[in-house]
Amino acid sequence: DIQMTQSPSSLAASVGDRVTITCRASQSISSSLNWYQQKPGKAPKLLIYAASSLQSGVPSRFSGSGSGTDFTLTISSLQPEDFATYYCQQSYRTPRTFGHGTKVEIK
Amino acid sequence: EVQLVESGGDLVQPGGSLRLSCAASGFTFNHYKMHWVRQAPGKGLDWISYISSSGGTIDYADSVKGRFTISRDNTKKSLYLEMNSLRVEDTAVYYCARIVEMATNNGDGVNWFDPWGQGTLVTVSS
Repeated sequence: DIQMTQSPSSLAASVGDRVTITCRASQSISSSLNWYQQKPGKAPKLLIYAASSLQSGVPSRFSGSGSGTDFTLTISSLQPEDFATYYCQQSYRTPRTFGHGTKVEIK
Repeated sequence: EVQLVESGGDLVQPGGSLRLSCAASGFTFNHYKMHWVRQAPGKGLDWISYISSSGGTIDYADSVKGRFTISRDNTKKSLYLEMNSLRVEDTAVYYCARIVEMATNNGDGVNWFDPWGQGTLVTVSS
């Protein structure tokens, strides 16, 4: 199975901060990397697909980059509604696997 | 509106059985592959099962293989997960999710889970 390693596991940031979350795959996955946001008690919500494509309706402060094994999710200016847990997920090979999540908390 | 709604979660004893359902609306259900993903309390997301649009191809995570059965009824626009021999470690919120696929220039294609249902809680405990 392809292992997905996210870092950091948690971070504290202030409104307006630029936040970067990284995800590393245990083998090359081309651009088959998706990012989801999950708030407490809610289902995950798709933010970015195919490494860098912004899902319709998602604010443009979210962006994704990378290919191969190293990927990044960036929030350019953190907003109050962005405090949540973020997961990366590879869709290159079955079984589809997720990172362990990055919890973004208020500083 | 594209929507998935799960039901069937409950408290069940170890060794027991449960059947989860996922009702789809707002899209042509029989055109899409579907999955079940679960999340243990306070933990991350774990893919557990997949079914093709016709139901002809199925796959399971090793952790549930031989105990869980995925199925679908395209006439009812519904997805199911039959869970047998339940274990304490199966305690989780179970989500159904649609797979969206897109062709790419290199031929690999990409896909992603969207949308997800709201989840249904399965608790296995004596």
